[in-house]
Amino acid sequence: QQQVKQSPQSLIVQKGGISIINCAYENTAFDYFPWYQQFPGKGPALLIAIRPDVSEKKEGRFTISFNKSAKQFSLHIMDSQPGDSATYFCAAPSGTYKYIFGTGTRLKVLA
Amino acid sequence: GAVVSQHPSWVICKSGTSVKIECRSLDFQATTMFWYRQFPKQSLMLMATSNEGSKATYEQGVEKDKFLINHASLTLSTLTVTSAHPEDSSFYICSVRPAGMGTQYFGPGTRLLVL
Repeated sequence: QQQVKQSPQSLIVQKGGISIINCAYENTAFDYFPWYQQFPGKGPALLIAIRPDVSEKKEGRFTISFNKSAKQFSLHIMDSQPGDSATYFCAAPSGTYKYIFGTGTRLKVLA
Repeated sequence: GAVVSQHPSWVICKSGTSVKIECRSLDFQATTMFWYRQFPKQSLMLMATSNEGSKATYEQGVEKDKFLINHASLTLSTLTVTSAHPEDSSFYICSVRPAGMGTQYFGPGTRLLVL
């Protein structure tokens, strides 16, 4: 059974700063590793996902860095904005098409 | 990405009644859908994998007789919470993984409150 450890639990960043959230997983699987953004009362929205044979993927202000040997991946949010204030979840593949989610990081970006 | 809808978005029911939640994949055919439960300020917990035309696969610790899943078509899966009790109050979210796409897309969720 896949285990996923996500840190930090909460994060406060000044507007314009860089937000960094980390995840560590246990079992290697060739499937996408995604990050989701969730606002209160809403379903999670896919933010960005990376294949395990790629070390970095960037989409706009969001970047995933993937370290296969360390079994870790991280989300970087550049130029953080108050609208980025949400809960972020990483997920790691666990079985056919299934995912195990991290515990979540509550990000608050101060104006 | 895929567009997923859920109905209802909110439901309040009395203890002992059954509640049905629908999950629809609006722009992709989905042979597989997933049902999650999320308690306040907690992570998403996978409850079961819904398979079109066959029985759902439940995660360990999830009562299959309490959480009935039906996946009768390629665009619709339903979750029925039978004999609901206050401890079943939670946020229920479904997801789909369209063929050829790398990951899952979630619906907006259904908030269930059992009185």
